[in-house]
Amino acid sequence: NAGVMQNPRHLVRRRGQEARLRCSPVKGHSHVYWYRQLPEEGLKFMVYLQKENIIDESGMPKERFSAEFPKEGPSILRIQQVVRGDSAAYFCASSGTGFRGGYTFGSGTRLTVV
Amino acid sequence: GENVEQHPSTLSVQEGDSAVIKCTYSDSASNYFPWYKQELGKRPQLIIDIRSNVGEKKDQRIAVTLNKTAKHFSLHITETQPEDSAVYFCAAEEEGGSEKLVFGKGTKLTVNP
Repeated sequence: NAGVMQNPRHLVRRRGQEARLRCSPVKGHSHVYWYRQLPEEGLKFMVYLQKENIIDESGMPKERFSAEFPKEGPSILRIQQVVRGDSAAYFCASSGTGFRGGYTFGSGTRLTVV
Repeated sequence: GENVEQHPSTLSVQEGDSAVIKCTYSDSASNYFPWYKQELGKRPQLIIDIRSNVGEKKDQRIAVTLNKTAKHFSLHITETQPEDSAVYFCAAEEEGGSEKLVFGKGTKLTVNP
C-alpha cells in the first residue's frame, strides 16, 4: 500500500516559468492538503481539496497559484510565473475522512527558482 | 486565526537525558494537537498526537501533555538517543474541525553521544 506520492522530488525553474507539482494520495483517500515549507520554517497551510472541489484555499496566494484534484488522477499544484520567493519545499498530505488519525505527508517537492 | 508558538528553537542534550519541547496556542476551539519529526531533507512524520479530551498520552519513550486551560502542550522524550536528533514541530488544528493545521516554527534537537 503506497503512501502519498509526490513528483517530481526536485524541480528547478527559471523566473517566469510555470511549476506543476503532483500529488497522488493514498489509495482510497479523497482529502488532499498542500503545505509549503520555507527554509528553517514550519509548514504553512495552502489549500485543502476533496475530489473535484476546493474546500479551503485561504492559505494560497490569490495570484499565480492554483490547485485542483480531478475525479481521475493526481492533485496538481500549479505556480505560474514563478519568482525566487516561491523556492520552498511543497508537501502534500491525504486522509480518508479528515485527519482523525493525523496527516501522512508525501516526500515533498523541492522547488528551486533560479 | 490560530497562532502556535514553540520553544526552544534549538535544544542540545546528552544521550540518555530527557528533552522537553513546549508549545502554546491561541484558539480555545482547537482540539487536536499533533507532533511531527522531520529529519534533514525528509518528510515530516507524525510521532504522537493528542486530543482535547485527554491530558496526557504516552508511546514508549515519547509522551505529550496538554493543558487546555492554559492553552499549552508539551512533548517529552525520555532516554534520548542520537537517532532522536531532528527538527520537531508542534501543530494545532485551526478552528476545531477545519482539518487545517497551524505549525510552530520547530525545535532542532541534537542528542550528543
